[in-house]
Amino acid sequence: DGGITQSPKYLFRKEGQNVTLSCEQNLNHDAMYWYRQDPGQGLRLIYYSQIVNDFQKGDIAEGYSVSREKKESFPLTVTSAQKNPTAFYLCASRRTSGTNTGELFFGEGSRLTVL
Amino acid sequence: QKEVEQNSGPLSVPEGAIASLNCTYSDRGSQSFFWYRQYSGKSPELIMFIYSNGDKEDGRFTAQLNKASQYVSLLIRDSQPSDSATYLCAGGGGSSASKIIFGSGTRLSIRP
Repeated sequence: DGGITQSPKYLFRKEGQNVTLSCEQNLNHDAMYWYRQDPGQGLRLIYYSQIVNDFQKGDIAEGYSVSREKKESFPLTVTSAQKNPTAFYLCASRRTSGTNTGELFFGEGSRLTVL
Repeated sequence: QKEVEQNSGPLSVPEGAIASLNCTYSDRGSQSFFWYRQYSGKSPELIMFIYSNGDKEDGRFTAQLNKASQYVSLLIRDSQPSDSATYLCAGGGGSSASKIIFGSGTRLSIRP
């Protein structure tokens, strides 16, 4: 089935540790995104990538890093520099060819808790 | 100024009535607008997307876009209890072609 797979679904981290959240898509979409969601809040953009080997910071990139070595994969690393990393993380992808491009397709999310 | 703004609610509407959700955006170059529904603890699911000025209807849902006023709305007719959720407005494809920004979401509650 086509879609976006995020792993792990739940992750616990000790303070000071880096963790990497996986995001894989088989939709052949060019663009991929990472959003963070805190309880009762909307989605805030962390990073996005329009093509392989290129990515841009979103509104809250500090303390996070990404890579885009393959079209299908866009992993997010939450570093120890992120002071309040406990949140729900959502990965998405989107078709971007043409003028009126497609909607965001979301994975099921990864819930990170810092102990 | 936030790039995409929504009334956070909560908005309470009786079953069978029309729910009206509103959103404004600041980037005049934005071209694509989306409404997502999100149930608690789940990922967002697409309700409607709209690119052109005017109305777009899909079943009980109608999206309205007014680019001159930088305003997007979603109407839900014949509201059902299953419509109770958070509705997220998103826009983008403007000055940065792929950047998609979300509003803070509006909680909608349909009361029987």
